[in-house]
Amino acid sequence: DGGITQSPKYLFRKEGQNVTLSCEQNLNHDAMYWYRQDPGQGLRLIYYSQIVNDFQKGDIAEGYSVSREKKESFPLTVTSAQKNPTAFYLCASTLAGAIYNEQFFGPGTRLTVL
Amino acid sequence: AQKVTQAQTEISVVEKEDVTLDCVYETRDTTYYLFWYKQPPSGELVFLIRRNSFDEQNEISGRYSWNFQKSTSSFNFTITASQVVDSAVYFCALSANNAGNMLTFGGGTRLMVKP
Repeated sequence: DGGITQSPKYLFRKEGQNVTLSCEQNLNHDAMYWYRQDPGQGLRLIYYSQIVNDFQKGDIAEGYSVSREKKESFPLTVTSAQKNPTAFYLCASTLAGAIYNEQFFGPGTRLTVL
Repeated sequence: AQKVTQAQTEISVVEKEDVTLDCVYETRDTTYYLFWYKQPPSGELVFLIRRNSFDEQNEISGRYSWNFQKSTSSFNFTITASQVVDSAVYFCALSANNAGNMLTFGGGTRLMVKP
């Protein structure tokens, strides 16, 4: 089945640690996105990538880093510089180049800082 | 700049009631697309509908219907005869002529349908 997988589903981090969230898609989509969702709030864009080896900052990129070495994969690293990382993280993908293409979402990773 | 506003943060209804979720948007682009997504308790967003700025026809899909009015910059979503399985957070989103096919999301409306 085609889709987006995110792992792990739950992640606990101690303060000062970097953690990496995985996102993989087998939809042959060009563009991939990372969003952060806080309780009772909408989705905010962290980073996005339209093509392999290229990515751009979204609205709240500080304290996060990404890579796009393969079309299928777009991992997100939450660094120790992110002061309040506890949140629900969603990865999405879409065919690039047209604003009418809907984004497909993964099941999310819930990150908690202990 | 683009903005999507969902003024209703939470709505509670009893099963079989009709319910309308409001969405108001702002954009300077003349070509844009509006979307509705459903986020069940599992967390994954599910795409429901897309509407382009040149098509103001209302759409019905089973118990779901959407009313798009450019004059009021609104794209409202109605669920007829609500069911407990409709309980979720619903997001309205906007995509306009910009790089990266980025979506601007509203804050979401949490719908609780009680039996």
